Amino acid sequence: DADVTQTPRNRITKTGKRIMLECSQTKGHDRMYWYRQDPGLGLRLIYYSFDVKDINKGEISDGYSVSRQAQAKFSLSLESAIPNQTALYFCATSEDSGSHQVDNEQFFGPGTRLTVL
Amino acid sequence: QKEVEQDPGPLSVPEGAIVSLNCTYSNSAFQYFMWYRQYSRKGPELLMYTYSSGNKEDGRFTAQVDKSSKYISLFIRDSQPSDSATYLCAMSVSPRGGYQKVTFGTGTKLQVIP
Repeated sequence: DADVTQTPRNRITKTGKRIMLECSQTKGHDRMYWYRQDPGLGLRLIYYSFDVKDINKGEISDGYSVSRQAQAKFSLSLESAIPNQTALYFCATSEDSGSHQVDNEQFFGPGTRLTVL
Repeated sequence: QKEVEQDPGPLSVPEGAIVSLNCTYSNSAFQYFMWYRQYSRKGPELLMYTYSSGNKEDGRFTAQVDKSSKYISLFIRDSQPSDSATYLCAMSVSPRGGYQKVTFGTGTKLQVIP
């Protein structure tokens, strides 16, 4: 079974709709991340969470919100979807080992392709 | 100017060729340099990881960092069709404690033709 799973894998929605993307992990990692990937722009960080009570904005958090329901679950919501939120969304996890060298490896889920019409 | 620049390709090479993938960066504080490989319809996965300058070899893959030129490279020897993927460079600074922001390149799409 995959260590990091995302649901749904594909979603088409309309402008103004509320959308939730879900991420679950079995790696036992404390740190979880949400990225979006756009052609020519690469991966950009939306939100990250160090643990259930620690949630932080990334570089492009406007229009998004998150919820860390448990160590293993991190959800991303688009409160009112707009067409420029059409992108590939990735959840990732990393280990907080206390060693700065290990923290850099992030484990990505398979992605959710979101289209906002 | 982006902090990390990477040629998007696509790059097409015949099987067995040596492949060179490159990134340049502007933030001299970057100390950790990574290469991720992303297959179609999959998430990125870490391929190589280096700290500061120098070379690191892992099988057919060699990662090279030149901090004086702010330039990193990934070399693939004896390339195989299974190496066909998008390769993303990534970099981070190491602040004491807290989150280490990882800055990703846009990725270079590689196709190895049998």
